[in-house]
Amino acid sequence: KAGVTQTPRYLIKTRGQQVTLSCSPISGHRSVSWYQQTPGQGLQFLFEYFSETQRNKGNFPGRFSGRQFSNSRSEMNVSTLELGDSALYLCASSLPTGVDSEQYFGPGTRLTVT
Amino acid sequence: ELKVEQNPLFLSMQEGKNYTIYCNYSTTSDRLYWYRQDPGKSLESLFVLLSNGAVKQEGRLMASLDTKARLSTLHITAAVHDLSATYFCAVDHTASKLTFGTGTRLQVTL
Repeated sequence: KAGVTQTPRYLIKTRGQQVTLSCSPISGHRSVSWYQQTPGQGLQFLFEYFSETQRNKGNFPGRFSGRQFSNSRSEMNVSTLELGDSALYLCASSLPTGVDSEQYFGPGTRLTVT
Repeated sequence: ELKVEQNPLFLSMQEGKNYTIYCNYSTTSDRLYWYRQDPGKSLESLFVLLSNGAVKQEGRLMASLDTKARLSTLHITAAVHDLSATYFCAVDHTASKLTFGTGTRLQVTL
């Protein structure tokens, strides 16, 4: 069974630009969550999508947005990049509810903003 | 707001020694996870603890959960160098939204 995949794995952008990151969940998983990891703030929840709807949202500015497609693949977008957006962005997929709703993490996208 | 605290933040231990990492959380939850992260890598799931009194063991690692005390522990027995990594606990308080602890960087020295 293929795991969670994320593309691209590495990205370098300039302040003010925008970026789109992609996440393909494990087959059969319909929930996708996104997390940001930085040395200063640690791992923080961004948002979660299920059946193309955002169900949960973390405490991030509106520059951070996401969406989910009918095949459960998800994208997140960050507009007007700031230096502080440099981070490892992780997505995780899971079955929506129930005992086996453990989240499985992808390899991450490392974003560097210069 | 759910808060998850881990201690210690950094742990240097010799091979062969035992130690425990603690994870406290502030609101009721019956689902707690432990993850391992190697430098520059993603999160690897170690344990899923689903109920009060749950205990799980894998190799030299054992995790337990006390939901009444809102405490989970990750015990390391006879540490080896390969266990060097950062360990995170995470609490699942709504569907698919994890709140992570600060992480414990474990360094096992020869």
